[in-house]
Amino acid sequence: GAVVSQHPSWVICKSGTSVKIECRSLDFQATTMFWYRQFPKQSLMLMATSNEGSKATYEQGVEKDKFLINHASLTLSTLTVTSAHPEDSSFYICSAGTGDNSNQPQHFGDGTRLSIL
Amino acid sequence: AQSVTQPDIHITVSEGASLELRCNYSYGATPYLFWYVQSPGQGLQLLLKYFSGDTLVQGIKGFEAEFKRSQSSFNLRKPSVHWSDAAEYFCAVGPTGGGNKLTFGTGTQLKVEL
Repeated sequence: GAVVSQHPSWVICKSGTSVKIECRSLDFQATTMFWYRQFPKQSLMLMATSNEGSKATYEQGVEKDKFLINHASLTLSTLTVTSAHPEDSSFYICSAGTGDNSNQPQHFGDGTRLSIL
Repeated sequence: AQSVTQPDIHITVSEGASLELRCNYSYGATPYLFWYVQSPGQGLQLLLKYFSGDTLVQGIKGFEAEFKRSQSSFNLRKPSVHWSDAAEYFCAVGPTGGGNKLTFGTGTQLKVEL
């Protein structure tokens, strides 16, 4: 089956640091990738939709200058949390889809636990 | 706008008992429906999906779900729960294709008593 790899799985860093999270589709080409944020015991909140070779589309209320998304290839998207602060601590999950109208569901990475001290 | 409701925040069942997790959706067209499972600290794993055709869908790990258009529901069932099924379960709805964003329910936390 389709595999999405997310790295790192866990990161702790100091306030003010920028953190990059990678999301890779290992065995398929992901035209579209999605970035979610999940607070403890809550559902997934979509942050942005990333299409290969174009600018990401951010959901309302998500700061695009704070959460930089790059989707430079069909197998890799990155989320950079710039100048991270404790309120950015959360569980971040990516998913990947083929971007067409095929009956293929999105596949999710295992998530990244981000803790800002 | 599309929405998903999972009425039960927590459910506790005994191992070996049957399970039904409820999901109701609101969507303007024929929906694509999904159930995902999330273990603590992990990403989401797809259990099953409904796109069209037979309204009773079989998934992995012995799960099934039934699409009922008249009730706008897509409930997840399992005849005999195993302790390893304890996890968070999310129902999601979306338009056709994996390239489109999903709307998730708030999730149901399943606890299995031995």
